[in-house]
Amino acid sequence: GIQVEQSPPDLILQEGANSTLRCNFSDSVNNLQWFHQNPWGQLINLFYIPSGTKQNGRLSATTVATERYSLLYISSSQTTDSGVYFCAVEPSGSRLTFGEGTQLTVNP
Amino acid sequence: DTGVSQDPRHKITKRGQNVTFRCDPISEHNRLYWYRQTLGQGPEFLTYFQNEAQLEKSRLLSDRFSAERPKGSFSTLEIQRTEQGDSAMYLCASSFPSGGYDEKLFFGSGTQLSVL
Repeated sequence: GIQVEQSPPDLILQEGANSTLRCNFSDSVNNLQWFHQNPWGQLINLFYIPSGTKQNGRLSATTVATERYSLLYISSSQTTDSGVYFCAVEPSGSRLTFGEGTQLTVNP
Repeated sequence: DTGVSQDPRHKITKRGQNVTFRCDPISEHNRLYWYRQTLGQGPEFLTYFQNEAQLEKSRLLSDRFSAERPKGSFSTLEIQRTEQGDSAMYLCASSFPSGGYDEKLFFGSGTQLSVL
């Protein structure tokens, strides 16, 4: 099956800093989504982004499908951004395969 | 739109017992998914439905697991003869396929299963 690698595995920031999270995948995909799992375990969908660039407030994402990677940018980080960020991809068919996530800690 | 709802939030059971979880998807969503997540890992796909039809089931899934979506609305996931290795968060998600436009997956809060 498709392989999804996320980096870095852990990231610690001071409030106000910017960060970039990366997702590499091993095959072409029809679907790519980014999720944030908050400290209470709830998974929140951030972006549906199989290609191109999207922005939502302080978050933006870019997927370069031909080179098989996606980036999630977090600007001016806040303590509420803490949690685990997952990239999930779907090569074909109808189910997403998740990476192992990036654990982000934002300190005040 | 109340989001994806799962019940119960927590379940503690003894090894060998059967358990059943329920998921109510977002009302207009015709695709429903079950995932399982263990500590430190990403969610792992179990099975999915389009309307009432179960279209895919993970090859890694034991025969002790069964899921239904009888009327294309809510779904149940049953685990028979539970084992300690079944302890995990069971997540339900739903989506509405839109021909590749913004097909976001929305998750419920999950059911945390502990098998003693």
